Amino acid sequence: QQKVQQSPESLTVSEGAMASLNCTFSDGTSNNFRWYRQHSAKGLEVLVSIFSDGEKEEGRFTAHLNRANLHVSLHIREPQPSDSAVYLCAVSMRAGGSNAKLTFGKGTKLSVKS
Amino acid sequence: GALVYQYPRRTICKSGTSMRMECQAVGFQATSVAWYRQSPQKTFELIALSTVNSAIKYEQNFTQEKFPISHPNLSFSSMTVLNAYLEDRGLYLCGAKGPGNTLYFGEGSRLIVV
Repeated sequence: QQKVQQSPESLTVSEGAMASLNCTFSDGTSNNFRWYRQHSAKGLEVLVSIFSDGEKEEGRFTAHLNRANLHVSLHIREPQPSDSAVYLCAVSMRAGGSNAKLTFGKGTKLSVKS
Repeated sequence: GALVYQYPRRTICKSGTSMRMECQAVGFQATSVAWYRQSPQKTFELIALSTVNSAIKYEQNFTQEKFPISHPNLSFSSMTVLNAYLEDRGLYLCGAKGPGNTLYFGEGSRLIVV
């Protein structure tokens, strides 16, 4: 069964400094990775989706995937206080078309101080 | 853009009663809908995955008898929590598979059981 772990559990950065979040997964055949964020127990906002090794940028959010190392990261450039939220890593298998079945990590709580 | 609306946003129900929640995809056709629950202090767990013209697949620990789901067309799904008790409280998210194979989430329906 897929296990998804995120680190750190919480992170505080200053406004404008790069924020880096990590996610490891256990199933090396996974090929569908997403980063979401959740503000104050509300719904999820999709930030970046990545399907192959390398880098994918969406605005200030960049995901790096290294499937050999079972690792995907999220980097937030010039974070602002409004980026303070819980960031969730979600992993799925695309095979069988069931990539709606995501396994989530427990999240990293990011606080951005002005 | 792709939007997912969930209703109601919050419900307080008495222990042993039932709660029905709805999920509407706007601006796209949702061939798959996934229902997740975020229990207090936990991450998101998949309850079931519903694909139009296929049987609804429930995850371990979740059953159709407890969480019946209807997915009558490509824009709407509903799920009921029958005989809700304290352990059923949490934020219920509907994720609809939309453009780019991305799962878009609504803001959730929060269930409070008293």
